[in-house]
Amino acid sequence: NAGVTQTPKFQVLKTGQSMTLQCAQDMNHEYMSWYRQDPGMGLRLIHYSVGAGITDQGEVPNGYNVSRSTTEDFPLRLLSAAPSQTSVYFCASSPWGAGGPGETQYFGPGTRLLVL
Amino acid sequence: QQQVKQSPQSLIVQKGGISIINCAYENTAFDYFPWYQQFPGKGPALLIAIRPDVSEKKEGRFTISFNKSAKQFSLHIMDSQPGDSATYFCAANLNTGGFKTIFGAGTRLFVKA
Repeated sequence: NAGVTQTPKFQVLKTGQSMTLQCAQDMNHEYMSWYRQDPGMGLRLIHYSVGAGITDQGEVPNGYNVSRSTTEDFPLRLLSAAPSQTSVYFCASSPWGAGGPGETQYFGPGTRLLVL
Repeated sequence: QQQVKQSPQSLIVQKGGISIINCAYENTAFDYFPWYQQFPGKGPALLIAIRPDVSEKKEGRFTISFNKSAKQFSLHIMDSQPGDSATYFCAANLNTGGFKTIFGAGTRLFVKA
């Protein structure tokens, strides 16, 4: 199993540009999520999905869109990039645990995004 | 109310010593409390986790202590090793009104050889 894969590893954007961060998992996990990691702020949930066709907002959803057309893929779209979106983005997936989804999250290697 | 407060921000421990990281929360609807370990350039990985009906959980050198009445929990790393040097995040899961994991700000641990 490849686990959770993310592409690209690094990206530079200009303010106002749009792009899609890719995330895929091969573990047949129902729950997938996107986080951003900023110094001193831990990981903050952007959006999550509990299955194909079902998405919901996290703590910091503004400026980001998601969709989930398959179990495997969960892309994150930046509509109009801003310098405040400079961050490291992590995708994670999780099976449904005893108490709900997200109990054991498997994280991808991250995408480092710089918005100029 | 959905915050998880983590301290200290950074920690230096001698090899063989005990590392202690503390977290506190407000929302009593949190129902699962994991700890994640992250090495530089890598994604976080689940280390150990506890449910609120348990006061302590131990896995090898790692122990979670949970105080439900105080709304606090902590990670103890016994016999700390240089290989434990990493960033540690506490977190709390919310399974009402959605399915979310709220992370603490992280603690950078450095174990001196």
